[in-house]
Amino acid sequence: GIQVEQSPPDLILQEGANSTLRCNFSDSVNNLQWFHQNPWGQLINLFYIPSGTKQNGRLSATTVATERYSLLYISSSQTTDSGVYFCAVERSFGNEKLTFGTGTRLTIIP
Amino acid sequence: EAEVAQSPRYKITEKSQAVAFWCDPISGHATLYWYRQILGQGPELLVQFQDESVVDDSQLPKDRFSAERLKGVDSTLKIQPAELGDSAMYLCASTGWNTEAFFGQGTRLTVV
Repeated sequence: GIQVEQSPPDLILQEGANSTLRCNFSDSVNNLQWFHQNPWGQLINLFYIPSGTKQNGRLSATTVATERYSLLYISSSQTTDSGVYFCAVERSFGNEKLTFGTGTRLTIIP
Repeated sequence: EAEVAQSPRYKITEKSQAVAFWCDPISGHATLYWYRQILGQGPELLVQFQDESVVDDSQLPKDRFSAERLKGVDSTLKIQPAELGDSAMYLCASTGWNTEAFFGQGTRLTVV
């Protein structure tokens, strides 16, 4: 099956800093999503971005499908940004599972 | 706002007992997933439904786990008998055609 690798596994930053999280995948995909897992365990949708660039407030994401990677940018980090960020990919809609990476644990220090 | 509903939120059960989880997907979403997430790891698929049909249950431990989606809407995941190693977060998600997947709040299972 498709392999999804995220880096770094852990990231500790001071409040106000910027961060870049990376997701590499081993095959062509039709679906790529970024999630933030909150302290209660729910996966919150951040971006649906199989290709291109999107921005939502302090967060933005870029997927370069031809080179099989995606980047999540967080600017001016806040303590509420802490948590685990997951990238998940699917090769073809409705026919294959959403495969998750191992996540990046982000800790923002006040 | 439409959301995926799961219940219960938390469940503590003794090993060898039976336990069941329920999921109601977003209205109109044909694809429903059950994932299991062990602490410190990413979610892993247990079973995927397309309407009422199972698309992928290759990672479902069928000797003790069962899942159904009889009318192609809500779904139930059952474990019988529960083992200590089943302690995890169980996540349900749904998606329509060519749309992003949305997850419910999950059920945190503790087997004692």
